[in-house]
Amino acid sequence: KAGVTQTPRYLIKTRGQQVTLSCSPISGHRSVSWYQQTPGQGLQFLFEYFSETQRNKGNFPGRFSGRQFSNSRSEMNVSTLELGDSALYLCASSLTGGPKIQYFGAGTRLSVL
Amino acid sequence: TQLLEQSPQFLSIQEGENLTVYCNSSSVFSSLQWYRQEPGEGPVLLVTVVTGGEVKKLKRLTFQFGDARKDSSLHITAAQTGDTGLYLCAVVGFGNEKLTFGTGTRLTIIP
Repeated sequence: KAGVTQTPRYLIKTRGQQVTLSCSPISGHRSVSWYQQTPGQGLQFLFEYFSETQRNKGNFPGRFSGRQFSNSRSEMNVSTLELGDSALYLCASSLTGGPKIQYFGAGTRLSVL
Repeated sequence: TQLLEQSPQFLSIQEGENLTVYCNSSSVFSSLQWYRQEPGEGPVLLVTVVTGGEVKKLKRLTFQFGDARKDSSLHITAAQTGDTGLYLCAVVGFGNEKLTFGTGTRLTIIP
């Protein structure tokens, strides 16, 4: 069974641009969560989607948004990029909700110049 | 203020030695998970502990959930170079399904 796939693996953008990251969950998994990982703040929860609906949201500004498609694939968008958005963005999928076993992808490393 | 504090932040020891890392909070949690993250990869779940006082063993790794469900420890016996990585604890609070991660312990095992 294929694992969680995130594309692209690396991305370089400049301030003010926007970016879209993609996540394909494990087949059959309906929940997709997104996290931001930085050396200073650690791993922080962005949001979770389940059956195309946002179910939970972390404390990030509205520039961070996401969506989930009917095939459970998810995209995350960051608009008006800031230098502080440079981070490793991780996607995790799980079968259902609840205290869950999450399977993480390898992440997309975003650098904002 | 971090919800979950992990200590030590960095640990570097010789292969074959034993070590313990800690995850502490002032809050009570319904369950706690430990992950290991290797460079260039996402975190991988090692164990979930649910019951206060619970002890789980995974080969050379021993995980303990505190009696009051506020803290946890991970003990590694006879460390190997393959144990190198970032160790993260994560908790689920009562009444919500969000995972909150700790600050992490970066472990390096020297051959």
